[in-house]
Amino acid sequence: GAVVSQHPSWVICKSGTSVKIECRSLDFQATTMFWYRQFPKQSLMLMATSNEGSKATYEQGVEKDKFLINHASLTLSTLTVTSAHPEDSSFYICSAPTKGSWNSPLHFGNGTRLTVT
Amino acid sequence: AQSVTQPDIHITVSEGASLELRCNYSYGATPYLFWYVQSPGQGLQLLLKYFSGDTLVQGIKGFEAEFKRSQSSFNLRKPSVHWSDAAEYFCAVDYTGGGNKLTFGTGTQLKVEL
Repeated sequence: GAVVSQHPSWVICKSGTSVKIECRSLDFQATTMFWYRQFPKQSLMLMATSNEGSKATYEQGVEKDKFLINHASLTLSTLTVTSAHPEDSSFYICSAPTKGSWNSPLHFGNGTRLTVT
Repeated sequence: AQSVTQPDIHITVSEGASLELRCNYSYGATPYLFWYVQSPGQGLQLLLKYFSGDTLVQGIKGFEAEFKRSQSSFNLRKPSVHWSDAAEYFCAVDYTGGGNKLTFGTGTQLKVEL
């Protein structure tokens, strides 16, 4: 079945540095990918919609300059947390629907645990 | 604003017992409804979904859910819980009609006692 691969699975970085998270669709093409953030013991909050070949669409309250999204190909979207601070520590999850199937279920990556020290 | 409510933060059941996890969504046009399961440190796996038609939907791992329009609910059930079902369960809705832009509930942590 369709698989979404997310890398790295966990990362620790120092405050002020930037971290890039990759999300790949392994056996299907994804013109759209979604990035979620999950705080401990809380639900997933949609951060942005990544669109292949165009700008990402950010949800209200999400800083686009802080969370840079690039969707340069049909199989790869990246989320870069710039100038990370401890409050950015969280679990980030990407997802993608199967291209061409508007109501297909989302396929989720296994998430990236970011810890900013 | 659209919202999803899962009133039970934690539920503990004995293995072999039945299970029902509650989910309510805010009033509006019938959304697309989903249940996902998340194991620790993992992404989400789709258990089942409802778009239209039969209000009782069957999913994987022996789960089912029933859509009740009058109650704006989409409760998840399983007749006999297995220890491997211990996980976090999320109800989600999509009001956009695409089935992809999801609003998640806060989740219910299921613990299974042996």
